[in-house]
Formats: sequence, C-alpha cells, structure tokens
Amino acid sequence: GQQVMQIPQYQHVQEGEDFTTYCNSSTTLSNIQWYKQRPGGHPVFLIQLVKSGEVKKQKRLTFQFGEAKKNSSLHITATQTTDVGTYFCAGLATSGTYKYIFGTGTRLKVLA
Amino acid sequence: EAQVTQNPRYLITVTGKKLTVTCSQNMNHEYMSWYRQDPGLGLRQIYYSMNVEVTDKGDVPEGYKVSRKEKRNFPLILESPSPNQTSLYFCASSWQADNQPQHFGDGTRLSIL
Repeated sequence: GQQVMQIPQYQHVQEGEDFTTYCNSSTTLSNIQWYKQRPGGHPVFLIQLVKSGEVKKQKRLTFQFGEAKKNSSLHITATQTTDVGTYFCAGLATSGTYKYIFGTGTRLKVLA
Repeated sequence: EAQVTQNPRYLITVTGKKLTVTCSQNMNHEYMSWYRQDPGLGLRQIYYSMNVEVTDKGDVPEGYKVSRKEKRNFPLILESPSPNQTSLYFCASSWQADNQPQHFGDGTRLSIL
C-alpha cells in the first residue's frame, strides 16, 4: 500500500543549530501538509503545499515540495527550545480517494 | 471557541467489551477522520467521512466501525475490542477533504486488557 517515510526518526540538536526532516512518498501526492505535535499534545497544522516545486517560509521554517510531488522537506534555521516536538508530513493520495497518509514522524529534541 | 471534542480522554477496559469514543466538532466541517497513533508508525487513518451518511475506510479499518448521522458528530465504535487496539486515538475535521488543514481533538488513550 501507499507509504510515506520520514527521516530521521529522531534528531537531537543543540539550540541554535539547524534541523531538517525529509518526507518520501511511494506514490505521487496531490498535496503535502506539515503538522507539529508537542509532547503530550495533538497534531497542529503548520502549512500546506500544493504545487510541484513549491517553497514556503514561516519565519525560521522553510517547507519544500518536490518537483515530482513525491517528497518534501521541512528545514528549521537556528532551532529554539520551543521547536521541540514531533513533526509529521501528511499527503492526500492522488488515487481518487480522500485518504490521508501520514509520515512516520521526526521527533526533535533541542538541547539548551 | 472552534474545537474538536473527544470523549473519553482515557479508558482502560477489557477484551470484548463494546465501547464508543465520541467526537464532535463545532466548525460545520464536512470532512472528519479517525486516526490511531502508535510509536514508530505515525498516524494511521482508520475511517473518514466526506459528509453526513458518507463514510469510507482508511488504511486500518479492521475492528472498527463509524457512523455519521449528523454533521457535527463522528463516533468511533469498537464492537469487540482486542489488545492490539490499545493505542492513542485522534479525531480530526476540516472544511473539505482536500487542501484544507485538519483540526485535531486532544486524543483518547485506550488500553484494552
């Protein structure tokens, strides 16, 4: 079946270092969404990308959607302790259903 | 306040005892979903609903039922729970299925003994 893999599974960084998580789908996605889940919390929507090759920025966060619409990345510049949490990508498959496929998530720890 | 409300938040029960987890949203959203979250597996969609009386299977529907009789409510039913259904469950809603952010409830932690 359709799968969305994320790497790395875990990442520990020193505060101020950069961080990137990568999302790879086995099939083409019609869109990609990114969510952040704080420890003990629920996923919270960050952003959505729809177009091939699209790049969006939110302050220190940069999101990219691949040209083939099968991969995406989230890059955080100069991490802060408030960035701690698990980051998920999620895609709506182009198979004609309205199923959402979530990535396996990347857990980020930021050391002060 | 716009929100998705799940109940209960925590439940410990025994194998075979039917249970229902309720989900209600007050945003008039058409699309609603149930997910389960397990370590290392991310979130997996159980069922989704495009609108009232329209439901469809997600990736892991076995052992679950849903209904969508009203737009605001989307209960998840476990007719005969088993230990492999021990998990953290999230309900989510959005205006429509595609290109809309999903709003998640606070989660329900289920333990099936």
